Amino acid sequence: DAGVIQSPRHEVTEMGQEVTLRCKPISGHDYLFWYRQTMMRGLELLIYFNNNVPIDDSGMPEDRFSAKMPNASFSTLKIQPSEPRDSAVYFCASSPLRDRVNHGANVLTFGAGSRLTVL
Amino acid sequence: DAKTTQPNSMESNEEEPVHLPCNHSTISGTDYIHWYRQLPSQGPEYVIHGLTSNVNNRMASLAIAEDRKSSTLILHRATLRDAAVYYCILLGTSYGKLTFGQGTILTVHP
Repeated sequence: DAGVIQSPRHEVTEMGQEVTLRCKPISGHDYLFWYRQTMMRGLELLIYFNNNVPIDDSGMPEDRFSAKMPNASFSTLKIQPSEPRDSAVYFCASSPLRDRVNHGANVLTFGAGSRLTVL
Repeated sequence: DAKTTQPNSMESNEEEPVHLPCNHSTISGTDYIHWYRQLPSQGPEYVIHGLTSNVNNRMASLAIAEDRKSSTLILHRATLRDAAVYYCILLGTSYGKLTFGQGTILTVHP
């Protein structure tokens, strides 16, 4: 099992450019999550999907951010246009739904993250 | 979501046990207690979780107070590779909403 795979690992871009981050979840996992980590705000949940459908996007900071999951093996997080304050490490995580009743028992597996720097 | 309180940092010596405390006085009856850790330059990694009873796995043990208002993650023999930020998180019915606090920075000395 290769785990959750994210690309690119590092991205440096200029303000105003479009940024696309990619994630391949673990095969068979029903849930996919996008998190962002900064020194100031720590780890924040941006959005999560269940069976490719967005369930909760209340953490998406603004309309410049969008996320899609066209199939069970691929998701993207897009920022357009990017701004310096978007600089952060973006993590993707996936989870199986082993326990349909006790949601709290389910466990997330995180990718290695994509470090974004917007100049 | 109920909050957790952890010390900002702790230190340990290699091969000694480490007890990482977490207070969660407002925990609800359906909240699971999860521990994740984040090694430098890596994503968070699941360590252990429990509901009411103490739990053991190959990485650590989780001791849960009888009233569930606190818990302790126990690393039986710390190694240099255990140096990380350890997060104590409550996960309930709001599936997926792992809310990370600031965690405890564990330093392990050789």
